[in-house]
Amino acid sequence: GQQVMQIPQYQHVQEGEDFTTYCNSSTTLSNIQWYKQRPGGHPVFLIQLVKSGEVKKQKRLTFQFGEAKKNSSLHITATQTTDVGTYFCAGPTDSWGKLQFGAGTQVVVTP
Amino acid sequence: NAGVTQTPKFRVLKTGQSMTLLCAQDMNHEYMYWYRQDPGMGLRLIHYSVGEGTTAKGEVPDGYNVSRLKKQNFLLGLESAAPSQTSVYFCASSTTPGTEIAKNIQYFGAGTRLSVL
Repeated sequence: GQQVMQIPQYQHVQEGEDFTTYCNSSTTLSNIQWYKQRPGGHPVFLIQLVKSGEVKKQKRLTFQFGEAKKNSSLHITATQTTDVGTYFCAGPTDSWGKLQFGAGTQVVVTP
Repeated sequence: NAGVTQTPKFRVLKTGQSMTLLCAQDMNHEYMYWYRQDPGMGLRLIHYSVGEGTTAKGEVPDGYNVSRLKKQNFLLGLESAAPSQTSVYFCASSTTPGTEIAKNIQYFGAGTRLSVL
């Protein structure tokens, strides 16, 4: 079945630094979504990418969908303590709305 | 507009006990999902429903049952709890994907933290 893999599993970042987390799917995706889960919280939708090569920005966060629609990345610039949490990517497994989530990248920010 | 509400928020069970987790959504969504989250394993789909009166198995359905008698409610039952079911359980809902891809965005409840001793 479809697998969605994320690397790295953990990311320790100094406040102010940039970092990138990656998401790879074993199959071509119609779209990819990113969610953020704060410590002790629940996943919250961040963004959806649909088109091949699409790039979207949300303030300091830049999301990219690969040309082959099998991979995606999230780049955060000038990391802040508010960026702490786990970032999940997810891709649809069928037309019925089910999503396959990656295991997530847990981000820890050191002041 | 509360979104997705889960009850209870916390629960401790003894092995063999039963319980029901309740999920309620007020967004008139057709689709509802139950996930479990364990450290390092992301979100794994237990069961889901594509409409009132329908349910289907997800990735890890063993030991769980579900019911969707009303569109706004999705219940997850554990008939005989086991320590392996210690986890955080999340309910989510989404609109029907149809022809608009954006409709499969999922909205999550706050979660239920369950410990089985």
